[in-house]
Amino acid sequence: GQQLNQSPQSMFIQEGEDVSMNCTSSSIFNTWLWYKQDPGEGPVLLIALYKAGELTSNGRLTAQFGITRKDSFLNISASIPSDVGIYFCAGLSNTGNQFYFGTGTSLTVIP
Amino acid sequence: DAGVIQSPRHEVTEMGQEVTLRCKPISGHNSLFWYRQTMMRGLELLIYFNNNVPIDDSGMPEDRFSAKMPNASFSTLKIQPSEPRDSAVYFCASSYGQTNSPLHFGNGTRLTVT
Repeated sequence: GQQLNQSPQSMFIQEGEDVSMNCTSSSIFNTWLWYKQDPGEGPVLLIALYKAGELTSNGRLTAQFGITRKDSFLNISASIPSDVGIYFCAGLSNTGNQFYFGTGTSLTVIP
Repeated sequence: DAGVIQSPRHEVTEMGQEVTLRCKPISGHNSLFWYRQTMMRGLELLIYFNNNVPIDDSGMPEDRFSAKMPNASFSTLKIQPSEPRDSAVYFCASSYGQTNSPLHFGNGTRLTVT
């Protein structure tokens, strides 16, 4: 299957700081999704990206579809305690029929 | 609006027993997915249906696993017989439209096989 490398694996930041995480793939993707998962719950969709270079915001969250179509980035500005959770990227290749998920970035926000 | 509904939320069973997980997708969605999440392997697709028809079951680990979707509003994932290595969180997700439509997840069933 497709390999999605997500980094960093974990982050510990102070409240108010900005956060950046990314996902890279071994092949070209035509769709990127970003999800957040809280403990005991399912992943919740944050942002969907469909075109290379696309930059989309959802409140304090901004995600970008990389120009090479092999990567995507998620930024969180001015983090707050409720941003704590695990963030997953998911990608769909040109020839694929299923989304592959990254291994997740665990975010801890210290008040 | 109701999201994807899964039951039970937790299941504890003994090795060798049959386990049935249930899912109600979002009304109007035409694709349904079963995923398994573990610490070691992350989120893995087991099987997905489109318009109630199984399209790709290559992720089903072995013959002990089976899934059905008798109608547009209900699906089951069955494990028979269950084994301790099946312990994981099983998620159902649904989507509407094309292959690249975002998935909407339920809150999962945490399965523990002792």
